[in-house]
Order: sequence, then structure tokens, then C-alpha cells
Amino acid sequence: DIQMTQSPSSLSALVGDRVTITCRASQSIDTYINWYQLKPGTAPRLLIYAASNLHSGVPSRFSGTGSGTDFTLIINRLEPEDFATYFCQQSYTIPRTFGQGTRVEVK
Amino acid sequence: QMQLQESGPRLVKPSETLSLICSVSGGPIISNSYSWAWIRQPPGKGLEWIGSVYQSGTTHFNPSLMSRVAISADTSRNQVSLKLTSATAADTALYYCARLAWIVRDMADAFDMWGLGTKVIVS
Repeated sequence: DIQMTQSPSSLSALVGDRVTITCRASQSIDTYINWYQLKPGTAPRLLIYAASNLHSGVPSRFSGTGSGTDFTLIINRLEPEDFATYFCQQSYTIPRTFGQGTRVEVK
Repeated sequence: QMQLQESGPRLVKPSETLSLICSVSGGPIISNSYSWAWIRQPPGKGLEWIGSVYQSGTTHFNPSLMSRVAISADTSRNQVSLKLTSATAADTALYYCARLAWIVRDMADAFDMWGLGTKVIVS
């Protein structure tokens, strides 16, 4: 299985901050990575697909970069609704695997 | 706009079969553009892909669960089902149904639509 290692596991930030979350794959996955946002009581939300493509309806303050094994999710100018947990997921091979998550908390 | 809703027993006894239904509204479950998946999140842990069912009826499962899991699509009811046999406490989790969209331009896929999830306790 491809292991997806996210860092940090949690971070504290203020509204307006720039937040960077990284995900490292245990082997090259080209650009086959997606990013999701999870909030308690709501359906998980796809943010970024294929490493850098913004999913429909997702604000442009979210962006993704990377290829091979190292990837980054960036949230520019954090908004109050962005406090949540974020997961990366590889779509390169079966089984699909997720990172362990990064919780973005209020500082 | 499609909507997904998971349903099933909240409490399952150890060794019994965990059975869940994903009811899909707003569109057909059979399409060239998407398939279906079940994903779970145990308490305090990350997400785990359980398996997927494709338009052809082909299924793929997580090897860690392969011997116990079945996923199927019922086109007459527009539902996707999950069955997990020989349940144990380790199967206690929030279970999500998700749509697996195929992105032709990038030759990739992503879970682009999710239900709210249903909590299952094995005890």
C-alpha cells in the first residue's frame, strides 16, 4: 500500500493567515492526489483533485501543488469557515489511501 | 444536484454482519462518469477506503477487508449497499458513501460527492 504522510497533524492559525499542509507519498504517485475538507456533522468536501485542480465551487484561496512524492495544500487568507480537518488521498493505485489528517484550529 | 444518504443499524453485535445502504437521489447511480465507494473513519482516526463498485459491476476492495466485504449497486432502487461480515469492535466507525468521479482530462478520479455518514458501533 502507498503510505500518505501528512504534516503537521495539527496547527493553530488566525483568520487571515496563510496555511500550508504537506503530504508525502511513500512512492511516486505522479499528480494523482486529492485533498478533502472534513467538518463534524457535514459531508466531506473535495477541494483539489489531480494535485492542483480546484474542484467546482471551491474558493480560489485554496490551491494545491506538487508531483511525484511531495505535495502541498495552501489556504491563502484563512476564513472562519476553513477551521476543519484536511486529508490528502492518493488515486494512483488500489487500495486508495489517505493521509492521517491535519486539524486546523483557531489560535 | 445529487444527494447521498447512508442508513442502517447503529448497533451491530460482534460476529454479525454490518449492512448499510446508500440512497442516491437526483440522478442515476449508473453512469460512464462515476462509480461508488464506501469509506469509513474510526473514532479518533483517519479515513479508510473500504471499496468501490463500478458501472460494469466490477468491485475493488481494500485488501485488509477483502475477505469480509461486499459492495453492490441496485439500479432499481438507486442504492449502493455495503455488507461487512464477522464484525468486530475494530469496525466501529463513521461510514461514508461517496461518489467516485472520473476526470477524463486528467485520467484521474476523486471522491467528489459524499453523504453525511452514519455511525456504526459494534458492541
